[in-house]
Amino acid sequence: DQQVKQNSPSLSVQEGRISILNCDYTNSMFDYFLWYKKYPAEGPTFLISISSIKDKNEDGRFTVFLNKSAKHLSLHIVPSQPGDSAVYFCAASEINQFYFGTGTSLTVIP
Amino acid sequence: NAGVTQTPKFQVLKTGQSMTLQCAQDMNHNSMYWYRQDPGMGLRLIYYSASEGTTDKGEVPNGYNVSRLNKREFSLRLESAAPSQTSVYFCASSGLGGQPQHFGDGTRLSIL
Repeated sequence: DQQVKQNSPSLSVQEGRISILNCDYTNSMFDYFLWYKKYPAEGPTFLISISSIKDKNEDGRFTVFLNKSAKHLSLHIVPSQPGDSAVYFCAASEINQFYFGTGTSLTVIP
Repeated sequence: NAGVTQTPKFQVLKTGQSMTLQCAQDMNHNSMYWYRQDPGMGLRLIYYSASEGTTDKGEVPNGYNVSRLNKREFSLRLESAAPSQTSVYFCASSGLGGQPQHFGDGTRLSIL
């Protein structure tokens, strides 16, 4: 049973607009959440993370929001750029194990 | 900076053959992981090693064995390959305290 879910397989956004990628989880014991970006034929690359004790973390154009009561995580990219086109995975961690969602393919249209 | 290096990058096997996927990291990380990625399934953890000398099963360990050879190297072995093991395999490593994982570029394995 998938503990981390990304219900949108794909998303298209115009350059300069906001991209919002969503992620839901079921395990309330997760204490650390991450977003990874993946280009074809490469491994995932770490993008941004958030601890369960926080509800927001920002890094430049990327902001991650955590709503623990809803067990929901989102990644905001503002403004979106064509180079952001990639597959984005959310992940959640408990002790030494990481659980990944199925990914959302983001296309930023110039 | 090599980071996490996986070999080979591509491999085709026949059903029943065995092979070992190699992974090495140069970041002095304690923890190492093996994942498989299948279409529509995301990344699923096969085995992990929290520290040198320890290994533990992940979500999908059946059909695989691992060896944490030393702090740098973590290998994944398929003893008798099956078509269901056709996948892209990723190795990752991380430091202490849930630090983000660093991934290799993957091994694309096809079993006929």
